[in-house]
Amino acid sequence: AQSVTQPDIHITVSEGASLELRCNYSYGATPYLFWYVQSPGQGLQLLLKYFSGDTLVQGIKGFEAEFKRSQSSFNLRKPSVHWSDAAEYFCAVVMNFGNEKLTFGTGTRLTIIP
Amino acid sequence: DADVTQTPRNRITKTGKRIMLECSQTKGHDRMYWYRQDPGLGLRLIYYSFDVKDINKGEISDGYSVSRQAQAKFSLSLESAIPNQTALYFCATSGLQNTGELFFGEGSRLTVL
Repeated sequence: AQSVTQPDIHITVSEGASLELRCNYSYGATPYLFWYVQSPGQGLQLLLKYFSGDTLVQGIKGFEAEFKRSQSSFNLRKPSVHWSDAAEYFCAVVMNFGNEKLTFGTGTRLTIIP
Repeated sequence: DADVTQTPRNRITKTGKRIMLECSQTKGHDRMYWYRQDPGLGLRLIYYSFDVKDINKGEISDGYSVSRQAQAKFSLSLESAIPNQTALYFCATSGLQNTGELFFGEGSRLTVL
């Protein structure tokens, strides 16, 4: 069965510092990979997605993620965080389209300090 | 107005009561989903529907039922609520383009005492 692991429950970063959130997946083939963000009191919003091709994908709000097949990882990065980036971030995978049953990781809560 | 609207946004109820959470969408999507979010567990799929005549169980459907009244409406029911169903519930939609992108409502927080 497919699964996704986010090893960091909570990360604290200073405003202006760089950010990397980790995501590892377990699946025999290359899954389709996603990062979603949940701002306080809100639903989830898609940040970016990887299907195939270029392993570095750009998303909204200045985020990017890199797919590394050898490490079964899809880590999310941002060069310089802003206070508005404080939120919970979820990595998700789906094995194949047609069912669109996303499997979500447990999430990483990001706190930004001034 | 939000594209995916959930009602109620907050509800406190007692064990054994029947509860319905409603979801309506204006995105024109055929596919609708109900997820449950618990701290430390992420989101888990309860039910999903690919069109009005199609209902499918997700990974945690026990204790829940759904109704797809129309393309735009998808309701989740707890026939006899229990305390471990206390959670944040999300409705989501997706289109036929198979992009894997879900569009979420703002959530319904349910507390079962």
